[in-house]
Amino acid sequence: EIILTQSPATLSLSPGERATLSCRASQSVSGYLAWYQQKPGQAPRLLIYDASNRATGIPARFSGSGSGTDFTLTISSLEPEDFAVYYCQHRSSWPLTFGPGTKVDI
Amino acid sequence: EVQLVESGGGLVQPGGSLRLSCAASGFTFSSFPMSWGRQAPGKGLEWVSTISGGGGSTYYADSVKGRFTISRDNSKNTLSLQMNSLRAEDTAVYFCAKGRGSGSSSAFDCWGQGTLVTVSS
Repeated sequence: EIILTQSPATLSLSPGERATLSCRASQSVSGYLAWYQQKPGQAPRLLIYDASNRATGIPARFSGSGSGTDFTLTISSLEPEDFAVYYCQHRSSWPLTFGPGTKVDI
Repeated sequence: EVQLVESGGGLVQPGGSLRLSCAASGFTFSSFPMSWGRQAPGKGLEWVSTISGGGGSTYYADSVKGRFTISRDNSKNTLSLQMNSLRAEDTAVYFCAKGRGSGSSSAFDCWGQGTLVTVSS
């Protein structure tokens, strides 16, 4: 099983600031990594798939990078609606796994 | 518009069974893999199971293998999860999710709102 580790656990920032979230895999997942955003009481929303591709309708301020074992989600300038929990997930092999999440709060 | 609506959650005793359903609309259901994920109260996301578009391939997390069975009815655009021998640690909100691509291993580009399963005596 591939273990995903996310850092930091919590990121305290202000609107307009840049957010950089990290996801590290216990072994290579090639480019098969996705990022999701989840707000309290809501379902997750796909932001990025295959490391760097924005999902449909996702604003350009969200970008993903990385390959192999190290990945980054960047939010270039935080909007008030971006304060949420962010999860990474790989699809490289079974079982699929999620990281523990990074909470972005004010 | 893609829509996924789960149903079937509720309170069940340890060792009991429950069947979840997910009604899908707004896309060609049979063309995409479908999955179940879950989220225990206050915890992170966990993948539970995936079924291929045609239904011929299924995959399970070790934590549910042998107890849960995923299935789909492409004529009715419905995904199901039969859960047997339920344990307290199965308590969670269960989400159905649509795979983004045609391959079974896929990111999830649409999620339902979830249905709560509580396993308790």
